[in-house]
Amino acid sequence: EDQVTQSPEALRLQEGESSSLNCSYTVSGLRGLFWYRQDPGKGPEFLFTLYSAGEEKEKERLKATLTKKESFLHITAPKPEDSATYLCAVQKAGANNLFFGTGTRLTVIP
Amino acid sequence: DAGVTQSPTHLIKTRGQQVTLRCSPKSGHDTVSWYQQALGQGPQFIFQYYEEEERQRGNFPDRFSGHQFPNYSSELNVNALLLGDSALYLCASSFTLYNEQFFGPGTRLTVL
Repeated sequence: EDQVTQSPEALRLQEGESSSLNCSYTVSGLRGLFWYRQDPGKGPEFLFTLYSAGEEKEKERLKATLTKKESFLHITAPKPEDSATYLCAVQKAGANNLFFGTGTRLTVIP
Repeated sequence: DAGVTQSPTHLIKTRGQQVTLRCSPKSGHDTVSWYQQALGQGPQFIFQYYEEEERQRGNFPDRFSGHQFPNYSSELNVNALLLGDSALYLCASSFTLYNEQFFGPGTRLTVL
């Protein structure tokens, strides 16, 4: 059975305190892994797509990495505006839909 | 460049009623997917439309139906509303079936 598990469920960081969010997945035939950011009451905002183990992508203070079993979203020197829920989703080969985890709620304290 | 738009923003209905939600995809996109997001959960896939046909469907009952128009916009219809249908309904668009999906702001549906 396909599964996407994100940890931790919630994370509180001081401004400037770097950390990582984890997304572990079990899916037959991964086509791609996606990271989104979602602010309360709004739609998810696309961040990254990763397609193969060893791939890395960066955007400002965020860096996403992928292995055969999990993905990490590293946040370097976060700012309060990075506070949001970060969602991980997988897409199987031959399928069109995204299968989401339940997200990590990040709070960055000034 | 307009992103994905959805209407209405909020909607309140009573049990048993029917509702129609609307979505306009991002400029240049031809594929629309619909997701349901309950509070504190990740979005769950309802179905996807491409070339005016339903291409894939998630585990949702037939009360959920949709349509895609020639201009690529889409509607989601839900019949015989249940309390459990209360959620944020998200539309996502992409260029063809397998590319990155970009989400709209969502429609908050409350069923009383």
